[in-house]
Amino acid sequence: QQQVKQSPQSLIVQKGGISIINCAYENTAFDYFPWYQQFPGKGPALLIAIRPDVSEKKEGRFTISFNKSAKQFSLHIMDSQPGDSATYFCAASQSYGGSQGNLIFGKGTKLSVKP
Amino acid sequence: NAGVTQTPKFRILKIGQSMTLQCTQDMNHNYMYWYRQDPGMGLKLIYYSVGAGITDKGEVPNGYNVSRSTTEDFPLRLELAAPSQTSVYFCASTPRATKVGTDTQYFGPGTRLTVL
Repeated sequence: QQQVKQSPQSLIVQKGGISIINCAYENTAFDYFPWYQQFPGKGPALLIAIRPDVSEKKEGRFTISFNKSAKQFSLHIMDSQPGDSATYFCAASQSYGGSQGNLIFGKGTKLSVKP
Repeated sequence: NAGVTQTPKFRILKIGQSMTLQCTQDMNHNYMYWYRQDPGMGLKLIYYSVGAGITDKGEVPNGYNVSRSTTEDFPLRLELAAPSQTSVYFCASTPRATKVGTDTQYFGPGTRLTVL
């Protein structure tokens, strides 16, 4: 129940295209869903996050779509650029309860944007 | 602010050796975390701390120990290193001053450890 399943494992997109990464979760107590971006040799950094009271959040070219009933959320990168090439991790956490808000991470998606 | 700093950046250990991975943050964050990252496996929580003097196990604590004597520092100790501990280790911190507080975790640059 604590798992977050992420797909695809890797993704190749042409410059200007749309990149879509999907995640699914089981624990209905999760109430915070961030996406982290990691460049080679660096630590992950928060990209965008959503709480389940909204179905979509947009920041620039990055959008999270959230489907509470399906227990799924996805990251859309519009007009993908070579500089977006990185590994993306979805995560989920539960603000209340014994888990202390610890993040459960998906396994990651390696995105390559071809010029 | 330097944010979250980790030392060393790289280390090679022999089986059975011990070492301490250092982590320091200068943001006065209460919560600190240690993760390991293995290829294709995401980030797994090893230990975490909600404040000085308080630590707790994460998903994969076996073979590791931690301490938190100050708000700034959260060292991770490996005793009797094994090849299975070859990984990249990340330290992170977050304010989480309240239950419904900021959840963003700020990560350090990582330590790449190889056990031979």
